[in-house]
Amino acid sequence: NAGVTQTPKFQVLKTGQSMTLQCAQDMNHEYMSWYRQDPGMGLRLIHYSVGAGITDQGEVPNGYNVSRSTTEDFPLRLLSAAPSQTSVYFCASSDNRGSGNTIYFGEGSWLTVV
Amino acid sequence: GDSVTQMEGPVTLSEEAFLTINCTYTATGYPSLFWYVQYPGEGLQLLLKATKADDKGSNKGFEATYRKETTSFHLEKGSVQVSDSAVYFCALSKGSARQLTFGSGTQLTVLP
Repeated sequence: NAGVTQTPKFQVLKTGQSMTLQCAQDMNHEYMSWYRQDPGMGLRLIHYSVGAGITDQGEVPNGYNVSRSTTEDFPLRLLSAAPSQTSVYFCASSDNRGSGNTIYFGEGSWLTVV
Repeated sequence: GDSVTQMEGPVTLSEEAFLTINCTYTATGYPSLFWYVQYPGEGLQLLLKATKADDKGSNKGFEATYRKETTSFHLEKGSVQVSDSAVYFCALSKGSARQLTFGSGTQLTVLP
């Protein structure tokens, strides 16, 4: 069972470059989201989507774009990378069965911006 | 806004010791509460959850009870193993929302 798959796992970018972190899930989940993890700060929500064609901002959306053209995929785009975007990024998905849903996470993408 | 506060780490224990990681929350309404675990170099895995007051979540010898009167969800294990070394995150979500609000995480190291 693949679950939530993220690529790439590691990436080094130069300041100003753009890139896309890929996320795919095979559980037919409507809800998908992106978090970033920074030392001592837990995980913070960047963007989320409640279904194909619908996206919204989370707590820390600046510098990132998302789109949701299919149920399976939810890519995260860094428009012009900055050192402050050095972080570990996690994609997550969940079904819509009501409260207390289990949210499934990918294995993470380690991004360094130099 | 909603928030989760965890005891600061790192926590270092000897094998077979008793573990408690404190977690308290601030939220309106009736959140669901979760503990996630992150092993080195891996993503987050759900460890246990509780969706209403007085519920006890349990998994792999870990337990946590949803205490609404103290707004707490402390994680406990009676006898830790070296393989329990990881970062533990307390988190909450509300209603049908699927966004999680996380605590800052607690690093646990268990020594043989």
